[in-house]
Amino acid sequence: QQQVKQSPQSLIVQKGGISIINCAYENTAFDYFPWYQQFPGKGPALLIAIRPDVSEKKEGRFTISFNKSAKQFSLHIMDSQPGDSATYFCAARGRAGFQKLVFGTGTRLLVSP
Amino acid sequence: GAGVSQSPRYKVAKRGQDVALRCDPISGHVSLFWYQQALGQGPEFLTYFQNEAQLDKSGLPSDRFFAERPEGSVSTLKIQRTQQEDSAVYLCASSLAYRGQQETQYFGPGTRLLVL
Repeated sequence: QQQVKQSPQSLIVQKGGISIINCAYENTAFDYFPWYQQFPGKGPALLIAIRPDVSEKKEGRFTISFNKSAKQFSLHIMDSQPGDSATYFCAARGRAGFQKLVFGTGTRLLVSP
Repeated sequence: GAGVSQSPRYKVAKRGQDVALRCDPISGHVSLFWYQQALGQGPEFLTYFQNEAQLDKSGLPSDRFFAERPEGSVSTLKIQRTQQEDSAVYLCASSLAYRGQQETQYFGPGTRLLVL
């Protein structure tokens, strides 16, 4: 049972372009939505996170857009750089007391020079 | 400061062998999680500790999987009678979170298990 659906599976973007990754969820008990970045051979690292009381959060070149009514959220990477080439995972977590993260299937991003 | 560390980084086991994977969380972190990541997939939750108490083990795939954190710090994930389908990367994460609060989970580099 996949509770968080992520697309696309892979993405190629030219240097300087915008990378967009989308996620959708079903469980309305989710109320915390982080994005993780993972390089080969490394563990996932938190990139940015949002709660559903806001529609957008920006940190540097990374922005999360959140649509509570549609149960969708997306990651935008502005001015994409070759160093951004990695796998990105969206995730969701339920209300306090339910600590586990439910991850999407991942998007492999390649930023071409 | 040091992050989450895991050992061994790589483990090759013959089918039927028992394995033990170790996780050293960030010092002072109360919560500890184990996830399993199959090739090309996202991490999947296995189990959760708050201090030494195992509060959620709903993700453990079978009774061959056992986890412990006896002193509320280091944790060990043990897999008995390994099967080929157990081949995956096992990730450990820790966070400061107490029950009722939500905090960032910091992941270790993982242990890559290959069962032949």
